[in-house]
Amino acid sequence: AQSVTQPDIHITVSEGASLELRCNYSYGATPYLFWYVQSPGQGLQLLLKYFSGDTLVQGIKGFEAEFKRSQSSFNLRKPSVHWSDAAEYFCAVGGGDKLIFGTGTRLQVFP
Amino acid sequence: GAGVSQSPSNKVTEKGKDVELRCDPISGHTALYWYRQRLGQGLEFLIYFQGNSAPDKSGLPSDRFSAERTGESVSTLTIQRTQQEDSAVYLCASSSLRGSEQYFGPGTRLTVT
Repeated sequence: AQSVTQPDIHITVSEGASLELRCNYSYGATPYLFWYVQSPGQGLQLLLKYFSGDTLVQGIKGFEAEFKRSQSSFNLRKPSVHWSDAAEYFCAVGGGDKLIFGTGTRLQVFP
Repeated sequence: GAGVSQSPSNKVTEKGKDVELRCDPISGHTALYWYRQRLGQGLEFLIYFQGNSAPDKSGLPSDRFSAERTGESVSTLTIQRTQQEDSAVYLCASSSLRGSEQYFGPGTRLTVT
């Protein structure tokens, strides 16, 4: 079955600290992988995507993610978190039609 | 338009009433998707359109839910005889090609009282 697991429901970090949000997926074929961010009251904004090629992808706002096929993972990282990064982050997998989303990780940033 | 738009932004309705939610995709985007997001949860796929056809309706939770798309543009999601469990944010997304990244609208928050 196709699924996405985000094991961390809630993460709290201090401003300036590094961040890694975990994402594991189950998908029968080569997946397309996405990270979206949702700020309070806002729609979803695409941070980055992986379709093929280089397994380390760069996104907007200083985020990056690494596709590891052997681990079925697509973890999101940022070296130094800003207070404005506080939001809900969703990992998603797809192969041509619908996207399958994880349940999200809520990021809280302390000054 | 510049992005995906949805209307209304908020809808409060009484249990048993019908509601229509509208989505205007990005101009030229052939694929259109509807998702539902219940409070504190991830997004749940409802239906996907390629052009005006819906090859995947597998996510529609019951026969009270239906959707159509016309002119390869606007889409309407209709919920008949609304129930309290239908309360959620309904998100629409569009993409230029099947499988490419999806651009999301701001959503319609539906509250069934």
